[in-house]
Amino acid sequence: KQEVTQIPAALSVPEGENLVLNCSFTDSAIYNLQWFRQDPGKGLTSLLLIQSSQREQTSGRLNASLDKSSGRSTLYIAASQPGDSATYLCAVKGSNYKLTFGKGTLLTVNP
Amino acid sequence: DTAVSQTPKYLVTQMGNDKSIKCEQNLGHDTMYWYKQDSKKFLKIMFSYNNKELIINETVPNRFSPKSPDKAHLNLHINSLELGDSAVYFCASSQDGRANEQFFGPGTRLTVL
Repeated sequence: KQEVTQIPAALSVPEGENLVLNCSFTDSAIYNLQWFRQDPGKGLTSLLLIQSSQREQTSGRLNASLDKSSGRSTLYIAASQPGDSATYLCAVKGSNYKLTFGKGTLLTVNP
Repeated sequence: DTAVSQTPKYLVTQMGNDKSIKCEQNLGHDTMYWYKQDSKKFLKIMFSYNNKELIINETVPNRFSPKSPDKAHLNLHINSLELGDSAVYFCASSQDGRANEQFFGPGTRLTVL
């Protein structure tokens, strides 16, 4: 059974700082890994999708890496802004289309 | 322009009632999903339909019954609502294929009194 863990559970940083969010998963037989953002009371916004054959993906100030063999992914946010404050969720897709989520990291960027 | 939409956004009802949540996607995707996010914000898949056929059915009470009239719609009907059903329910869709990105709706917050 796939289990996804995200560390830390919460993170508070001053504006402008670079930061890293961590995600680990127990079963390396995945098709892809997806990072989402969830704002309070809102739905999920897809940030980055990394296929199992890829090592990283970049979008603007975001960079996600994947090390499938060790069951780890990181989301790097450069030059953080108050608008980046949200919960960040990591999810891995295994067999049968199932997407298994971690419990998320609550990020607060202070002005 | 909404890609995945859900109605209603909020639903407050009494225990024992029957209610439905509707989901529609205009992305032309073949696969749709229902997820439940509990009070601790943990997201877990409930069902998945591919081309109107059920392909994932997690350990969900029989009181929950998904219905897919066509590829663009996946509705969730819940019978005999219980207090523990209170949660946010998210619909999602993806293009057929395990490697494809999932897109989520805005969620329906269900409160059972």
